[in-house]
Formats: sequence, C-alpha cells, structure tokens
Amino acid sequence: QSVLTQPPSVSAAPGQKVTISCSGSSSNIGNNYVSWYQQLPGTAPKLLIYDNNKRPSGIPDRFSGSKSGTSATLGITGLQTGDEADYYCGTWDSSLSAGLFGGGTKLTVL
Amino acid sequence: EVQLVESGGGLVQPGGSLRLSCAASGFTFSSYAMHWVRQAPGKGLEYVSAISSNGGSTYYANSVKGRFTISRDNSKNTLYLQMGSLRAEDMAVYYCARGFGTAVAGTLAYWGQGTLVTVSS
Repeated sequence: QSVLTQPPSVSAAPGQKVTISCSGSSSNIGNNYVSWYQQLPGTAPKLLIYDNNKRPSGIPDRFSGSKSGTSATLGITGLQTGDEADYYCGTWDSSLSAGLFGGGTKLTVL
Repeated sequence: EVQLVESGGGLVQPGGSLRLSCAASGFTFSSYAMHWVRQAPGKGLEYVSAISSNGGSTYYANSVKGRFTISRDNSKNTLYLQMGSLRAEDMAVYYCARGFGTAVAGTLAYWGQGTLVTVSS
C-alpha cells in the first residue's frame, strides 16, 4: 500500500474533464513539491507536471496541477483517447529521505 | 537530446547479485542528481534510490536498504545500481531517471526505457 493515495481508476468521455487526486502527509506532499507522470501502455513514464503546477515544454495546457496542504490534484481537460494511460503522483518524503510515488490511477476515456 | 540507456538486466537466482548500468548522454551528467525507479510486472512505480550530482549523498527506499548500492562515474557519464541478496519481490523493470537539477529531492525529468530484472530459480 502506497504512502501516497490515488484512486485506482477514473473514467470520462472524450472532450470531458477529469481530476486525479493524490493524498499524502506533512512529511511528503505537505513540505515538498509534487510531480505527475504519465505512463502510456508499454512505455516508460513521462513527466507531465513538476513543482506542483508547472508544465515542461511540450506538455499541452490541457494538463494542470495544483496542491493544497497534504493533497495534490492533476486535471485533464478536453480528454482524448490518447490520454488513456496510468498516472502517478510523486514527491520526496523528508522523514524517509527517499522519493515516493502514488499507487497510480488508470484513466479510461470512454 | 537527453538519452538514458539502461543495461545489465537479466535472470538471476534468489540470493544472487546483479549490477545495472545507465549510460547518459545529451547533457552534463555531473550536474544532475540521478535516480533508480522500478516497476514490478503489472504493478505501480516504486522509488528505489537516488544519488547527488557529485555522488557524495545517496538515498534508498527501505525495501532495498542494505542490499542495493547506487553509485556513479561522472568521468564515464554512467550511473550504477549494485543489487545483492536479490529476492523474488525485486523482480521488475528498473528505470534510470535524471533529475531537473542538482537537488535529489526533486522531479524525475527524463527516464530511460528500462531494463528487466528477473529473479527466479
């Protein structure tokens, strides 16, 4: 069981919006930046969001991130079938002195 | 272009050892923290280890502490993971990742394609 809690799955129709939550504690999300990663089937993870809400170059503004207290949220608007993937939140844990990932959320675009 | 190419995976018996390598190119290797992350078949991502840009600081997940050792050779632009006392639960695809900057406690900005470690008798 992961220290960071994500819903196992979410789904929505093409064109709609979805949010994925990531819940942690003061030793991780509460005092460190959160990143979000997208893993398409059969591929390596790819960075989507860093420092809670920043997008690397090349990531469309349909993807957004936010953080409040010990929770973070990934938002995806204008859903496309190509967005079907597993999404992971990640951060550092200051007590463990190690990185952490959420358990992952499988997005299905119906 | 940033490239990270892992190698060294394969089949190893329980209790055995293996050394993974990650060859980096396309950036100044010595300026970035580096990480190892693994993914067991059909499972989620698990953080394994991190090392500072100069190799002076290392960090490990509790699940591998005392059994795995991360190191780097900045003259060869290569990251290593020495794995010992391997268990069935260590079987996974191991990814090498580069941080965004020198900070270890940061984003994993670039990822390799991974190398598969199979632990079985």
